[in-house]
Amino acid sequence: ETGVTQTPRHLVMGMTNKKSLKCEQHLGHNAMYWYKQSAKKPLELMFVYSLEERVENNSVPSRFSPECPNSSHLFLHLHTLQPEDSALYLCASSQEVLGNYGYTFGSGTRLTVV
Amino acid sequence: DQQVKQNSPSLSVQEGRISILNCDYTNSMFDYFLWYKKYPAEGPTFLISISSIKDKNEDGRFTVFLNKSAKHLSLHIVPSQPGDSAVYFCAASEAGKLIFGQGTTLQVKP
Repeated sequence: ETGVTQTPRHLVMGMTNKKSLKCEQHLGHNAMYWYKQSAKKPLELMFVYSLEERVENNSVPSRFSPECPNSSHLFLHLHTLQPEDSALYLCASSQEVLGNYGYTFGSGTRLTVV
Repeated sequence: DQQVKQNSPSLSVQEGRISILNCDYTNSMFDYFLWYKKYPAEGPTFLISISSIKDKNEDGRFTVFLNKSAKHLSLHIVPSQPGDSAVYFCAASEAGKLIFGQGTTLQVKP
């Protein structure tokens, strides 16, 4: 496989559930990101990881918990979410952290919280 | 406060004509600007970029223009093709951190 792969593509979860989103990149990139895209809103940067170290956390509620076990994998653990958290969650990677080379995005996970 | 704005949520253009997508920004510290294209059920894909030290960058049918005094950039697609129909996101970078606009949905009619 090549590029950035996200699983699952769709997820429906209740407010008391715990679930995880997975992202995997096969590009040899050193940085990975989580973005949130809500309807009619810009993409919002949530977390930035560089070489498995979190370098940025954009005031994201603690019900979202990222994990980066190695430079190829990124997880977003979800628990006790709210209906307003329903959105498209996009993972991206880049050659170097916050560099000007553009990001490669995955196809996203469409999350619905009921 | 939104630093990158795409004020037109949608644009419809006839095939073969020029598509012009606009983007405004407020932060003069942005040093790089990018355009991404997104099809339904796919992630955004990088299209074209421009450094703040330039005013134009061209790649095939796509040209990006930057007007720093007006804090405005635009993406020109000519000639437009039906396959160009997608959502286009403008993004601006400050030290590599990307800030995105809301996106403009382009529809190119055959």
